[in-house]
Amino acid sequence: DTAVSQTPKYLVTQMGNDKSIKCEQNLGHDTMYWYKQDSKKFLKIMFSYNNKELIINETVPNRFSPKSPDKAHLNLHINSLELGDSAVYFCASSQDSVGQPQHFGDGTRLSIL
Amino acid sequence: GESVGLHLPTLSVQEGDNSIINCAYSNSASDYFIWYKQESGKGPQFIIDIRSNMDKRQGQRVTVLLNKTVKHLSLQIAATQPGDSAVYFCAEIRGFKTIFGAGTRLFVKA
Repeated sequence: DTAVSQTPKYLVTQMGNDKSIKCEQNLGHDTMYWYKQDSKKFLKIMFSYNNKELIINETVPNRFSPKSPDKAHLNLHINSLELGDSAVYFCASSQDSVGQPQHFGDGTRLSIL
Repeated sequence: GESVGLHLPTLSVQEGDNSIINCAYSNSASDYFIWYKQESGKGPQFIIDIRSNMDKRQGQRVTVLLNKTVKHLSLQIAATQPGDSAVYFCAEIRGFKTIFGAGTRLFVKA
């Protein structure tokens, strides 16, 4: 049983395109996250939602827009993709928003041509 | 500035030896710390955690030590196995936010 699942696993697209990454968790958790991992493995928080409400919005270009239709889903839409957006994007979830370990998906590798 | 960092970017150990991975943090207000393991092509996976009211916590083959005086965290892996080869991250939790360190890659030599 997959706890946190992301689709697609790989995404190759051209600069300027718009793309979405989907995430679903079946753990019954209240909080979900998006992270970006660069080529040096550095993991940086982008967004966090708790019960569908945005609680963390780091300094991310507004080309990135998260959407949480319900607390089991957190999708990430990216407009006008740029070369610097190439990275691995991880979705995660936790029981609540404070002081809990996070469960991560296996990532979406985004490559911009 | 605030940071969670690791002293060594890579660590190579012989199978069967013990491994120690270190991490420094700078915010004394942090009250919860987690070690994650990331294997190739996978997301980070929880290994062990520790709260600031403790200085040691043990799991199966792993021990986390917290020294709040010098803001230092370490992960000890006993009898390191080939399956332990991965990138290890310490994470510092402050309120809603999890701040990850830069990661240490552990190589296990057979």
